[in-house]
Amino acid sequence: KQEVTQIPAALSVPEGENLVLNCSFTDSAIYNLQWFRQDPGKGLTSLLLIQSSQREQTSGRLNASLDKSSGRSTLYIAASQPGDSATYLCADAMEYGNKLVFGAGTILRVKS
Amino acid sequence: DAGITQSPRHKVTETGTPVTLRCHQTENHRYMYWYRQDPGHGLRLIHYSYGVKDTDKGEVSDGYSVSRSKTEDFLLTLESATSSQTSVYFCAISESIRGEQFFGPGTRLTVL
Repeated sequence: KQEVTQIPAALSVPEGENLVLNCSFTDSAIYNLQWFRQDPGKGLTSLLLIQSSQREQTSGRLNASLDKSSGRSTLYIAASQPGDSATYLCADAMEYGNKLVFGAGTILRVKS
Repeated sequence: DAGITQSPRHKVTETGTPVTLRCHQTENHRYMYWYRQDPGHGLRLIHYSYGVKDTDKGEVSDGYSVSRSKTEDFLLTLESATSSQTSVYFCAISESIRGEQFFGPGTRLTVL
């Protein structure tokens, strides 16, 4: 059974800092991995999706990488801003399954 | 943002009453999903649909039923609500079975 872990559970950084959020998974037979952002009381917003054949994806200040062999994905946020404060979730779709397996999330706070 | 709405957005009901939550999409995506989000459990799949009148169970389907009579609507029914079904419910859509998922704003359900 796939297990997805996100470390750290919470992170507080000063504005302007570059930061990395980690996502690890136990079964490397993933089809793709998706990063989401969730603001308090809101739904999930899709940030980036990486196919298993890709190494990374970029969108603005966000860069997500994927290493299937080591069971890891990272989300890099450059020049963090207070508006980046939210919970970040990773989820993977398995090659053989029909659902997303979610991590518990990392709560990010960017202080101004 | 993907055109996904959920109704109602908030509901308080009593144990033993039936409850129906609605998800409506304007994207004409084939796949639709119902998740619940609970502290300590993250997001878990309840049911999903792969077409009109085609549905299947997720990992926490007991006590829930679904129906999809039109491409744009996916209904989640709690036949007899219990306090353990107090949660935030999210609908999601995707074009393909392992495609990028887009989430609705959520419904907060409280069962007293």
